[in-house]
Amino acid sequence: AQSVTQPDIHITVSEGASLELRCNYSYGATPYLFWYVQSPGQGLQLLLKYFSGDTLVQGIKGFEAEFKRSQSSFNLRKPSVHWSDAAEYFCAAPDSWGKLQFGAGTQVVVTP
Amino acid sequence: GAVVSQHPSRVICKSGTSVKIECRSLDFQATTMFWYRQFPKQSLMLMATSNEGSKATYEQGVEKDKFLINHASLTLSTLTVTSAHPEDSSFYICSATHGTIGGMDTQYFGPGTRLTVL
Repeated sequence: AQSVTQPDIHITVSEGASLELRCNYSYGATPYLFWYVQSPGQGLQLLLKYFSGDTLVQGIKGFEAEFKRSQSSFNLRKPSVHWSDAAEYFCAAPDSWGKLQFGAGTQVVVTP
Repeated sequence: GAVVSQHPSRVICKSGTSVKIECRSLDFQATTMFWYRQFPKQSLMLMATSNEGSKATYEQGVEKDKFLINHASLTLSTLTVTSAHPEDSSFYICSATHGTIGGMDTQYFGPGTRLTVL
């Protein structure tokens, strides 16, 4: 079955440090892949997406993600986190019917 | 671009009453809108998919008579929770897509509606 997995439920990172959030997918073909961010009590904001082409994708707020077919991964990275990056992050991919399959989410806490 | 709004952002109602939540695409025409429910500390659960001018498609386990969805125009979809009960209290989020890439379009999300049923 098609699925998206985020292995890390919770990550704590110091402000200014780098951040990497893991996402693995289980799809037969190369999927479309998305990263969304959700602040408390808010909807989801699209950070970036991968459809095809260059496997390194740049997004908003200084985030980037790299698609690695060999590892079935689409990890999200940011070189230097800011306190405002504290939020819940979701990786997602549409299934064959166009319905988004979400990972469980990764809660990011930023410490001073 | 691709802004989606929801109204109201927060609603409190008494048990047995009905509540309507609106989802609007502000700067694009949404061929398809989705309604999700999110429980605390959990991911999103798809409730239904609606296309303009046609009946919504509900996910398994979602009561269509309880969660009425109307997608009357390309910029507006509504979710009505009928005869609400405390267990319907949740965070409801809509999303919208424009264009078609075999159904794999980017979904743009609204800010969500917090429903509390007393």
